[in-house]
Amino acid sequence: KAGVTQTPRYLIKTRGQQVTLSCSPISGHRSVSWYQQTPGQGLQFLFEYFSETQRNKGNFPGRFSGRQFSNSRSEMNVSTLELGDSALYLCASSFAGTSDYEQYFGPGTRLTVT
Amino acid sequence: AQSVTQLGSHVSVSEGALVLLRCNYSSSVPPYLFWYVQYPNQGLQLLLKYTSAATLVKGINGFEAEFKKSETSFHLTKPSAHMSDAAEYFCAVTTYGNNRLAFGKGNQVVVIP
Repeated sequence: KAGVTQTPRYLIKTRGQQVTLSCSPISGHRSVSWYQQTPGQGLQFLFEYFSETQRNKGNFPGRFSGRQFSNSRSEMNVSTLELGDSALYLCASSFAGTSDYEQYFGPGTRLTVT
Repeated sequence: AQSVTQLGSHVSVSEGALVLLRCNYSSSVPPYLFWYVQYPNQGLQLLLKYTSAATLVKGINGFEAEFKKSETSFHLTKPSAHMSDAAEYFCAVTTYGNNRLAFGKGNQVVVIP
């Protein structure tokens, strides 16, 4: 069974640009969550999508947005990039959006903003 | 809101010695607790989880953790450290029906030969 895949793995962008990251969950999984990992703030929850609907949202500005498609693949978008957005972005998928089911994490996309 | 505290960002342990990583949680409702491991340039891998069943939880790679409600703790242990245990370890908390994980700051474990 293929794991969670994230593309691209590495990305370099300039301040003010926007970026889109992609996450393909494990086949059959309907929940996708996104996390930001930085040395200073650690792992922080961005948002969760379940069956194409955003179920939960963390404390991030509106520049961070996401969506989920009918095949459960998810994208997150960051507009007007800032230097502080440099981070490892992880997505996690689970069969259902409850804590009874394990969340499987992808390898992440490392975003560098210059 | 739930939160976890992990003290000591870097932990050094000798090969063959006990590994002990501490996690204390804060939650107004019964928590679900997790330990994850992250190797360099990889995502997180679940080591074990507590979901209100047995308080002593056994996980992969010889790790186990004990849920102690009176101490609001969920410490991770392994009797004998291996070189392959060198990684970063994260404790996380959520609640029933909720997929949103709140993570601790993590412990970077270094294994000394």
